[in-house]
Amino acid sequence: DGGITQSPKYLFRKEGQNVTLSCEQNLNHDAMYWYRQDPGQGLRLIYYSQIVNDFQKGDIAEGYSVSREKKESFPLTVTSAQKNPTAFYLCASSGGGQETQYFGPGTRLLVL
Amino acid sequence: QKEVEQNSGPLSVPEGAIASLNCTYSDRGSQSFFWYRQYSGKSPELIMSIYSNGDKEDGRFTAQLNKASQYVSLLIRDSQPSDSATYLCAVCRTYKYIFGTGTRLKVLA
Repeated sequence: DGGITQSPKYLFRKEGQNVTLSCEQNLNHDAMYWYRQDPGQGLRLIYYSQIVNDFQKGDIAEGYSVSREKKESFPLTVTSAQKNPTAFYLCASSGGGQETQYFGPGTRLLVL
Repeated sequence: QKEVEQNSGPLSVPEGAIASLNCTYSDRGSQSFFWYRQYSGKSPELIMSIYSNGDKEDGRFTAQLNKASQYVSLLIRDSQPSDSATYLCAVCRTYKYIFGTGTRLKVLA
């Protein structure tokens, strides 16, 4: 089955800890994205990547980092510099510049 | 002014009625337009995509796009309780997708 997988489903972060969220796609899509969604709010773009080994900051990149070493994978690290990380994190991919964007099932990050 | 605006709702319609959801956007360079449905606690799933002016129908769903007036709408015919969800409007301009905050739809049985 083609699709996007995210792991883990739930993630707990302690103060001062960096955590990494996984995102893998087998849709052969060039572009991949990370969004953050807070309760009752829309999706806010953290980072996106149009192609392997290249990525751009979105609207709320501070406190986050990404890498794009493989076409299929776009992991997101939430660093200790992100002071309010509790949110629902969504990974998405698309085949091109204006094509349909598909979403993974999401990772819910909670702070202990 | 938000880049993509939607009425947050809730929009309540009786079962079997037509639900009409609206979205306006500010960037005239937007090239593609999407409607997603999001159930509580779940990720968004694509309902419709539309790229050119006019109507596009898919089953009970019709998307309407008017680029001159900068709005896109979604009609849901014969609404069912299972349609109760938040509907997100998204517009795209070359790799950048901007989402509205969503309209919550409640279909009353």
